[in-house]
Amino acid sequence: SQKIEQNSEALNIQEGKTATLTCNYTNYSPAYLQWYRQDPGRGPVFLLLIRENEKEKRKERLKVTFDTTLKQSLFHITASQPADSATYLCALDSPRGGYNKLIFGAGTRLAVHP
Amino acid sequence: DVKVTQSSRYLVKRTGEKVFLECVQDMDHENMFWYRQDPGLGLRLIYFSYDVKMKEKGDIPEGYSVSREKKERFSLILESASTNQTSMYLCASSFALPGWGGVQETQYFGPGTRLLVL
Repeated sequence: SQKIEQNSEALNIQEGKTATLTCNYTNYSPAYLQWYRQDPGRGPVFLLLIRENEKEKRKERLKVTFDTTLKQSLFHITASQPADSATYLCALDSPRGGYNKLIFGAGTRLAVHP
Repeated sequence: DVKVTQSSRYLVKRTGEKVFLECVQDMDHENMFWYRQDPGLGLRLIYFSYDVKMKEKGDIPEGYSVSREKKERFSLILESASTNQTSMYLCASSFALPGWGGVQETQYFGPGTRLLVL
């Protein structure tokens, strides 16, 4: 069955460093992949979308890569700040009877320390 | 800005009660979704709707039903609440891209309803 894996352990880094989060998937080939941020007690907020024919996408301090051979996406936050502390979810599209839905990973919690 | 609102942030119900969770979006989105989120399990899709009066089962529809009478409103109904339905419930909406068989891109989420069933 289709499976998405994100590191369940929290990632702790020092302010100013680059945070790198990993999303691995198995058993299917998504057309696109998305990353969301979720703060405690709130709904996820969309950050970036990358398509299968794109290797890399950037938005301000965020960078996402998509390696369809490795079946992996990396999410980078450069010059991290304490305000970046949150849980980050990856999501992949999954065709289902003609109507695509998103399948979400369980998320990785990032803690940026001053 | 897209706004998705949910009727309650916190809800406490008793086993066996019928529970209604309401979601409203103001962006004229075709698609609407109900998820539940539990620690370590991530977001799991309960039901989604791609048009008024249309619905599709997600991964965990058992014990739930939905209603979409108007484009902007999508309701989740717990017919007879049970303790294992204690969870965070999240509603989302999105556009459907024409020509892609209903494929959608970015989902916009509401703030969530934390439901406790006693």
